[in-house]
Amino acid sequence: QITLKESGSTVLRPTQTLTLTCSFSGFSLSTSGEGVAWIRQPPGKALEWLGLIYWNDVDRYNALLRSRLSVTRDPSKNQVVITLTNVDPLDTGTYFCARSRSISPYYFDSWGQGLKVTVSS
Amino acid sequence: NFLLTQPQSVSGSPGETVTISCTANRGNIASNYVHWYQQRPGRAPTTVIFEDNQRPSGIPDRFSGSVDSSSNSASLSISGLRAEDEADYFCQSHEGANVAFGGGTKLTVL
Repeated sequence: QITLKESGSTVLRPTQTLTLTCSFSGFSLSTSGEGVAWIRQPPGKALEWLGLIYWNDVDRYNALLRSRLSVTRDPSKNQVVITLTNVDPLDTGTYFCARSRSISPYYFDSWGQGLKVTVSS
Repeated sequence: NFLLTQPQSVSGSPGETVTISCTANRGNIASNYVHWYQQRPGRAPTTVIFEDNQRPSGIPDRFSGSVDSSSNSASLSISGLRAEDEADYFCQSHEGANVAFGGGTKLTVL
């Protein structure tokens, strides 16, 4: 059974750095083809893909956020960390991590429950 | 930017069939797979259709997906509508490393 769960800072001030951790089980980022993605959803709005990282350390990012984003992995801990610098109230929303395998690129087959993040002065 | 456009809302009565469209603004939507997610309030999305027309285990065959190159769009059809189908539905695909989600369609079961 595959599970993912997001954790981290949930209330930030503008210009701070958001750091979230995705802890997962049921698959390994040491296994060829495996990956973890981050997706967010502002309140009442659509989903927005942020980025992902694969087992071989290849990463991909939303071009609009690339300059502020970083996704790293720690296969030994079954964790993936996303960092978003210089946050703004527009970064408020629920952040999800999801499994994504290279065999079906950019398909997110299992999702975490999501973590609500608020950016406010 | 690669964009996917969905109707904001659709509705139907129990037992009816509804179809939700997802239109790409450029390229050929058939070039990459389209996936459909269902999201209930306060919950994470779950897959109802992946790779254009595949159903995950546990999804009834009332749910079906298709892609039409002539209109550059994908569709999700739900037949035999049930109250439990009321939710938001999002399509998703990609163009290279540009991943796009549709704006979401709220399905109301009357």
